[in-house]
Amino acid sequence: DIQMTQSPSTLSASVGDRVTITCRASQSISSWLAWYQQKPGKAPKLLIYKASSLESGVPSRFSGSGSGTEFTLTISSLQPDDFATYYCQQYNTRGTFGQGTKVEIK
Amino acid sequence: QVQLQQSGPGLVKPSQTLSLTCAISGDSVSSNSVAWNWIRQSPSRGLEWLGRTYYRSKWYTEYAESVKSRSTINPDTSKNQFSLQLNSVTPEDTAVYYCARGDWNGALFVYWGQGTLVTVSS
Repeated sequence: DIQMTQSPSTLSASVGDRVTITCRASQSISSWLAWYQQKPGKAPKLLIYKASSLESGVPSRFSGSGSGTEFTLTISSLQPDDFATYYCQQYNTRGTFGQGTKVEIK
Repeated sequence: QVQLQQSGPGLVKPSQTLSLTCAISGDSVSSNSVAWNWIRQSPSRGLEWLGRTYYRSKWYTEYAESVKSRSTINPDTSKNQFSLQLNSVTPEDTAVYYCARGDWNGALFVYWGQGTLVTVSS
């Protein structure tokens, strides 16, 4: 099975900060990588698919990059609504999620 | 607009069977371009894909190795829904369970159900 490893597990940041989250796959997944945002009590929400494609309706401050085994999610200027937990997911073979990165207020 | 509405009990006794249903609106369980998935989330296991069913001229079902021996996912075309049964549950199966539509190769989760907290306890 493909394993997904995210870092960091927790990130403390302020409104306006640039934030970067990293995700590593245990084997190459080409660009079959998605990013989700989850808030307490809600289902995950798709932000980015195919490593760098922005889902419809998602603000342009979110961006993704990478291919193969190394990927990043960047929030260019953190907004109050962005404090949440973020997950990467490979969909090259079925679906495996990273363990999550909680973005909290500094 | 696709909507997934989950139903099922929130409390199951150890060794019994967990049963959940996901009703689909805005799409068909028989669609030949998507898959219908079950995913669960717990503090100890994180987000864990459990399995899926999909139609490509015939029905296919796939399961995660971790639950394969005690899981059944069934489509119900008459009600446009699909279900999950998980047998012989233990407290380790306590989690929030989600159904989700899988796009692309069946594993990109755009649409999710609302989630059901299932607690395994006597």
